[in-house]
Amino acid sequence: GAGVSQTPSNKVTEKGKYVELRCDPISGHTALYWYRQSLGQGPEFLIYFQGTGAADDSGLPNDRFFAVRPEGSVSTLKIQRTERGDSAVYLCASSRTPPGLAASSTDTQYFGPGTRLTVL
Amino acid sequence: KNQVEQSPQSLIILEGKNCTLQCNYTVSPFSNLRWYKQDTGRGPVSLTIMTFSENTKSNGRYTATLDADTKQSSLHITASQLSDSASYICVVSARNYGQNFVFGPGTRLSVLP
Repeated sequence: GAGVSQTPSNKVTEKGKYVELRCDPISGHTALYWYRQSLGQGPEFLIYFQGTGAADDSGLPNDRFFAVRPEGSVSTLKIQRTERGDSAVYLCASSRTPPGLAASSTDTQYFGPGTRLTVL
Repeated sequence: KNQVEQSPQSLIILEGKNCTLQCNYTVSPFSNLRWYKQDTGRGPVSLTIMTFSENTKSNGRYTATLDADTKQSSLHITASQLSDSASYICVVSARNYGQNFVFGPGTRLSVLP
């Protein structure tokens, strides 16, 4: 497809369970970002990948959250021992180039539709 | 602390009318500012990108302005359409933190017929 895709679109789980959220970036995009968005709020940065490596994971709230991008394309966000406070929309974005010092259309982030996670 | 504030929180206008959304930021050192449109249930879509030296940028009926001295930006929507109903998010990035895009909370715009 032409855009960023995320699966599943909706995920309902019980407190304490483990979940995986998947992101398929636009082909050829080297940078991949994960964000979390609560109702009525702007996206909150979680982690940024450049290629296969996590260039910045400072936004991950705690060690229950982990993300991988083993082949530099698809990424998986993993949440262990889910809590009700983890309920949110998890957005993935990709850009053709890494964020640079100057504004450029090539580092524009293209967002997926998000995965709505509900922890009961 | 790097922050982005937006006003109003929500806005209701009639189709065909113009409106202006505001963004104030404290992100420093400033690199660039972007406006995104986010439809309900969708990811944000980029509308404009502006650097320090740019005062205005247009994209169809959307015109963004930037005053880097006062650290304010506005997004003006002309001749609004029903499809403009969405959240508009201001995003500012700091020069030293390439991956640190600071998102504002958004303004929820509703265009009524």
